[in-house]
Amino acid sequence: KQEVTQIPAALSVPEGENLVLNCSFTDSAIYNLQWFRQDPGKGLTSLLLIQSSQREQTSGRLNASLDKSSGRSTLYIAASQPGDSATYLCAVDSGGGADGLTFGKGTHLIIQP
Amino acid sequence: GAGVSQSPSNKVTEKGKDVELRCDPISGHTALYWYRQSLGQGLEFLIYFQGNSAPDKSGLPSDRFSAERTGGSVSTLTIQRTQQEDSAVYLCASSWQISRIHEQYFGPGTRLTVT
Repeated sequence: KQEVTQIPAALSVPEGENLVLNCSFTDSAIYNLQWFRQDPGKGLTSLLLIQSSQREQTSGRLNASLDKSSGRSTLYIAASQPGDSATYLCAVDSGGGADGLTFGKGTHLIIQP
Repeated sequence: GAGVSQSPSNKVTEKGKDVELRCDPISGHTALYWYRQSLGQGLEFLIYFQGNSAPDKSGLPSDRFSAERTGGSVSTLTIQRTQQEDSAVYLCASSWQISRIHEQYFGPGTRLTVT
């Protein structure tokens, strides 16, 4: 059974810092990995999707990498801003879409102004 | 265009009552998913639809839970004889189709509280 772990569970940094969020998964047989952000009381916003054949994806100040063989992904946020404060969730697709996504419990990020 | 919408946004019900949660996926998306987010439990996958068909219902927590989708669009998740442990946020997502390359887009969720 696939398990996803996110470290750290919470992180607080001053505005402007670059930071890295970590995600690990136990079964390397995945089709893709998605990073989401969740704001309090809201649904999930998709940030990046990395297919299993890819090594990284970039969107603006966000860069996500995937090392499928070691079961790891990182989300790099450059020049953090207070608006980046949210919970970041990592999710893996082990069934080609047919088994839903398996989520980690998230990293709660606070960017201090 | 419009995203995934869910209704109601909040639902408070008494233990033992039935509730129905609704999801409107993004237009044209053939795949639809239901998840549950419980405090301390994280997000768990419940069921998916490809068109109107749900091939695997084993993720539903108990036989009090059922889901249907009609016309390849709107889906409803029904919980019968609600229990306090059913209290959670129920999230719906849709994607273009069931495949390895398509992102899932989530709705805002329905917060269910069973008293």
